[in-house]
Amino acid sequence: QMQLQESGPGLVKSSETLSLTCSVSGDSISSINHYWGWIRQPPGKGLEWIGHIYYTGNTYYKSSLSGRVAISQDTSKNQFSLKLTSVTAADTAVYYCVTRSLPSGYDPTFDNWGQGTLVTVSS
Amino acid sequence: QSVLTQPPSVSGAPGQGVTISCTGSSSNIGTGYDVNWYQQFPGTAPKLLIYGNNQRPSGVPDRFSGSRSGTSASLAIAGLQTEDEADYYCQSYGSSLNDVVFGGGTKLTVL
Repeated sequence: QMQLQESGPGLVKSSETLSLTCSVSGDSISSINHYWGWIRQPPGKGLEWIGHIYYTGNTYYKSSLSGRVAISQDTSKNQFSLKLTSVTAADTAVYYCVTRSLPSGYDPTFDNWGQGTLVTVSS
Repeated sequence: QSVLTQPPSVSGAPGQGVTISCTGSSSNIGTGYDVNWYQQFPGTAPKLLIYGNNQRPSGVPDRFSGSRSGTSASLAIAGLQTEDEADYYCQSYGSSLNDVVFGGGTKLTVL
C-alpha cells in the first residue's frame, strides 16, 4: 500500500523559501500511473491545489503561484519536493503531498494523501 | 474565495439524509469535467469519497452518493451517523485537467 510522508522545516521566515520533501513508499515515482503533487490548507480554511509533476518531469502549477513555485523529483530517493519562494504569512498552511491518479474512464483524482505538515511563515 | 461554491455548513439528525451542493460555472463543472468529493475529519488528511461524479472507491459505504447536473454537483448522505461529522470538499477542473479547483468546504454536523 502506498504511503506518502512530508518532511521539512515547520517555520520559515517571511521572504525566504519554503522547502518540503515527500517520501514515497509502496510505489515508484517513476510509475506512469500517477502524478505526484502538493495541496495546501491554511488553518481553518479550505484546500488549495499547488501543482503536480509527472514521471517525465512535466510540471503543472496553479497559475496564481506560478513564478514562485517549483516541484521536482528525485527518482534515486523515490522522493519529490516543493519549493515556494518569497513566502508571506498567506503561505502559512498545512501542506499535503498527494498522488493524482487516473481511474479508467474518469478524470483524475487525488487518492493518496500524506498526513500533512504545518508550515508557519513568521515575520 | 473558492472557485466552486459550497454551503459553509449543513446539519441533520441521525438516520436522516442531507445533501451538500457544489455550484460551479460554465468554466469548470459546466465543461463536463468530473466532480470528486473528499471527506476530512479534524486534524487528518482528506480522503477521496466520491470520484467521477458518482463512483465510490472501495470501502466507502453506499450511503454516500454523488451526482452532477449542468454547472453543479451534489453529495447526498443517507442514514446519517454520528461518525459522518466531518468537512466535505468538492473538486473539479477549470481550463484543463491541469487546472484543479476546489469548493470551500462544508461542515456536516450530525445533531
